[in-house]
Amino acid sequence: GESVGLHLPTLSVQEGDNSIINCAYSNSASDYFIWYKQESGKGPQFIIDIRSNMDKRQGQRVTVLLNKTVKHLSLQIAATQPGDSAVYFCAEKARGYSTLTFGKGTMLLVSP
Amino acid sequence: DTGVSQDPRHKITKRGQNVTFRCDPISEHNRLYWYRQTLGQGPEFLTYFQNEAQLEKSRLLSDRFSAERPKGSFSTLEIQRTEQGDSAMYLCASSLVALGYEQFFGPGTRLTVL
Repeated sequence: GESVGLHLPTLSVQEGDNSIINCAYSNSASDYFIWYKQESGKGPQFIIDIRSNMDKRQGQRVTVLLNKTVKHLSLQIAATQPGDSAVYFCAEKARGYSTLTFGKGTMLLVSP
Repeated sequence: DTGVSQDPRHKITKRGQNVTFRCDPISEHNRLYWYRQTLGQGPEFLTYFQNEAQLEKSRLLSDRFSAERPKGSFSTLEIQRTEQGDSAMYLCASSLVALGYEQFFGPGTRLTVL
């Protein structure tokens, strides 16, 4: 039933903590990666992106790290706030293509 | 609000009926994408347009699904003879090639097939 799809990996943190959300990808030909945040009933919202020629990129309160050796991507959120509670998706784009392939999401729960 | 709008936001239909969804992208964006998302899963790519040309279709896009972008602006996604398995959120996104690969998503149309 529907409950099967609700078993998202979940990260529970306290307000003010730093959060790290991880993502593994499988396509070594991927040259672009992006993180989206999706709140209930809304479309995905862009957070930060990174090209494969970079290892790290920082935004406002967020940092994305890319480890191409082990095909791993992480999103770090500093000083997590209750408004950060959402499902977070990583997505990758293969070289020569224009479409995004999304990973399974991680639900972030921030308690005050 | 990203500037991408979708209509309707919710659609309930009976199995076997046809449904059509509309997406209005950000006005200067030349690429428009359709995705399907089921509960607890990430969006799955269906098809995309550059201007009015449909450049790629996923294997997920059965022959009951058709998408158009006749003037390179808004797009429609039609599902014929709906099945219960079509129940999902249908998301539209747009992008501007010159700005890179970031896609801006609309709020989605939630389809329920009874």
